Parts: sequence; C-alpha cells; structure tokens
Amino acid sequence: EIVMTQSPVTLSVSPGERATLSCRASQSVSSSLAWYQQTPGQAPRLLIYDAFTRATDIPARFSGSGSGTEFTLTISSLQSEDFAVYYCQQYNNWPWTFGQGTKVDIK
Amino acid sequence: QVQLQESGPGLVKPSQTLSLTCTVSGSSVLSGGYYWSWIRQHPGKGLEWIGYFYYGGSTYYNPSLKSRVSMSVDTSKNQFSLKLSSVTAADTAVYYCARGPKSRGVTLLWGQGTLVTVSS
Repeated sequence: EIVMTQSPVTLSVSPGERATLSCRASQSVSSSLAWYQQTPGQAPRLLIYDAFTRATDIPARFSGSGSGTEFTLTISSLQSEDFAVYYCQQYNNWPWTFGQGTKVDIK
Repeated sequence: QVQLQESGPGLVKPSQTLSLTCTVSGSSVLSGGYYWSWIRQHPGKGLEWIGYFYYGGSTYYNPSLKSRVSMSVDTSKNQFSLKLSSVTAADTAVYYCARGPKSRGVTLLWGQGTLVTVSS
C-alpha cells in the first residue's frame, strides 16, 4: 500500500495570505494525485486531479503541482471559506490511499 | 441532479455485521462511465477506501478489509450495498457512498455520510 504523508499537520494563515501544503508518496504515483477540501460535518470536495487539473467550479486561486512522489497544493490568497482540512489522495495503485490531512486555520 | 444517500443502522454490536445501503437518484448504477464506492472516515481522522465496482465489471476491495467486506448492487432499486462482518470498535466511522469517473480514481460525488458506532 502506498503511504501518503502530508505536511504540515496544521497551517496557520491570515486571510489574504498564501498557503502551501505538501504531500509525499512512499513510491511514485506518477501524476495520479488528487486534492480534496473538507469542512466540518461535510463530505470532502474534489479540488484538483491529475496533480494539477482543477475540478469543475474550483476557483483559480487553487493550484496543484508535482509528480512522482512530491506534490504541492497552493492557495494563492486565502478566503474565509478556505479554512478547512485538505487531503491528498493517490489513485495510481489500488488500494487508493489518502494522506492524513492538513488543517488550515486562521492565524 | 444526482444524489447519493446512505442508510442503515447507526449502532452495531461487536462481532456482528454492519450493513449499509446507498440509494442513487438522478443517475443509474448501470451507468458504464462511473465507478461506485464506499469510503469511511474514523472520527477526527483521515479517509479510507473500502472498495469500489463498475457495473458489469469487477469489484475491488481494500486488502486490509477484504476478508470481511462485500459489496453488491440491486439494479431494480438503483441501490448498492456494503456488508462488513465481525466488526469491532475500530470499525466505528462515518461511512460514505460515492461515485467517480471510470477513467480515474477520484471521487466527484459523495453521499452525506452516516455514522456507524460499534458498541455493545
């Protein structure tokens, strides 16, 4: 099973600032990497797939990069609705696996 | 508008079988372009794939659960189901049913989730 490790566990950011989240895979997942956002009491929402492609209706302030084992999600200017938990997920090898999440909270 | 809705007991006793159903509206489980899946989230923790299937194709189970899990589909009711046997407290989680494109293993549509607690 591919282990996905996210860092940091918690990221404190002021509204309007940039946030950079990292995700590392225990072995190459090529570009088969997705990012999700989850707010309390809600199911996750797909933000990015194929490492850098924004899902439908996702604002341009969200961007993804990376390939192989190292990936990054960048939120260029945090809005109030962006304070949430973010998960990466690989779908290169079954079982598909998620990282443990990064919580982005208000500084 | 496509919607998924989980249903089933919220409390299951240890060693018993957890049974959940996902009712699909606005789409058909026969749709060839999608996979249908179960994902769970332990309280305050991360997400874990349980398994997925394509109608007319194979079913894939997480190896960590494979000996205890089964998924099935009822096309007449447009539902699919999950059974997890010999449950313990470690199976306490929010269980989601979900749908994704057959072309890649991402999830575009989720049910609201249902909390299942394993306790005597």
